[in-house]
Amino acid sequence: TAGITQAPTSQILAAGRSMTLRCTQDMRHNAMYWYRQDLGLGLRLIHYSNTAGTTGKGEVPDGYSVSRANTDDFPLTLASAVPSQTSVYFCASSELAGAYNEQFFGPGTRLTVL
Amino acid sequence: GQNIDQPTEMTATEGAIVQINCTYQTSGFNGLFWYQQHAGEAPTFLSYNVLDGLEEKGRFSSFLSRSKGYSYLLLKELQMKDSASYLCAVRDRDYKLSFGAGTTVTVRA
Repeated sequence: TAGITQAPTSQILAAGRSMTLRCTQDMRHNAMYWYRQDLGLGLRLIHYSNTAGTTGKGEVPDGYSVSRANTDDFPLTLASAVPSQTSVYFCASSELAGAYNEQFFGPGTRLTVL
Repeated sequence: GQNIDQPTEMTATEGAIVQINCTYQTSGFNGLFWYQQHAGEAPTFLSYNVLDGLEEKGRFSSFLSRSKGYSYLLLKELQMKDSASYLCAVRDRDYKLSFGAGTTVTVRA
């Protein structure tokens, strides 16, 4: 089982360009999440989706947009990248029913905006 | 929102015990998680507490006191492979996680 995949693994992007980070899970989880991880700040939630067709804003949503057309895919789009969006981006998924509902993380995308 | 504090770094010797503390202030507590993250890799789930007390899983144990807004992760019989960052995360009633900045544990021979 693949779990969660993310693409690309890494990317260098010119400021002002747009980019979509891809995330796909095969666990049929209801909820999906996008985080960014910066040194000294830990993981911060950008956007989330509790079920297909719905999305919500996290702690740091500005400059990012998401969509959830189906259960498996949750792409993150940067419409016009800025250097402060240089970060490692992690996608995660979880169930919303049951005991733990721990989040499972993808391998991450390392993005550099110049 | 959540305010989560944990030490930045800890160093311990192989075979020893290390305790990583986490304090939090929350609006709507719905569980506390510990994750392990090796350098350059994704976080992986270690433990979960929602009720007060100690949860033990092999060499790792996690404790929660909801009234004190306090948790700790106890790593026993440290091994070199335990060198990693340990992330404390609090879940709210909407199932969203807020993470602390992480504690980097270095295990020395």
